[in-house]
Amino acid sequence: EVQLVESGGGLVQPGGSLRLSCAASGFTFRSYDMHWVRQATGKGLEWVSLIDTAGDTYYADSVKGRFTISRENDKNSLYLQMNSLRTGDTAVYYCAGAVTGRFDYWGQGTLVTVSS
Amino acid sequence: DIQMTQSPSSLSASVGDRVTITCQASQDISNYLNWYQQKPGKAPKLLIYDASNLETGVPSRFSGSGSGTDFTFTISSLQSEDIATYYCQQYDNLPRPLIFGGGTKVEIK
Repeated sequence: EVQLVESGGGLVQPGGSLRLSCAASGFTFRSYDMHWVRQATGKGLEWVSLIDTAGDTYYADSVKGRFTISRENDKNSLYLQMNSLRTGDTAVYYCAGAVTGRFDYWGQGTLVTVSS
Repeated sequence: DIQMTQSPSSLSASVGDRVTITCQASQDISNYLNWYQQKPGKAPKLLIYDASNLETGVPSRFSGSGSGTDFTFTISSLQSEDIATYYCQQYDNLPRPLIFGGGTKVEIK
């Protein structure tokens, strides 16, 4: 059974940092591009970042320079280091596994709340 | 960046009705479009990929069509378990960004 389990969300003050983790199982992790997608309460889906199978990374303009995506294939794990957090970053963050732009697998999400 | 315009933003229909959602791209994206279903409090689920291909295990009442800039998602006979928000998503300009439509919330009348 495929599983993606996110962790690391929580409440943080503006300007603070958080590191999200995503543990994968049930599929060949190293063969999948891995993404972070977020969703503010009552809003739509917003793509955040991608790390492909070669380790190349890409970011939405809204998080570029503040967020860093990484992966450890030996540990079947994906990460998102989030710095200089803003209130607008408040959302549920999903990790997702994709092949050629198609999100095959999704985690259950972890809530990040940026508030003073 | 490519923009995706999804409509309507919400709809109400009766069980058994045919439901149609459209997604329009700001430029030609060939067939690089997927459709997802998201139920409240849950992660999205892939239903249709490459505009018209039904994901394994998805009921055949769901279908997709279109290419270029105009795409359609159809539920041929709405069921109560289909209450959800549906999103289109384009991937023409890989590797980034992957743009989602604004979503369509489907409710039972």
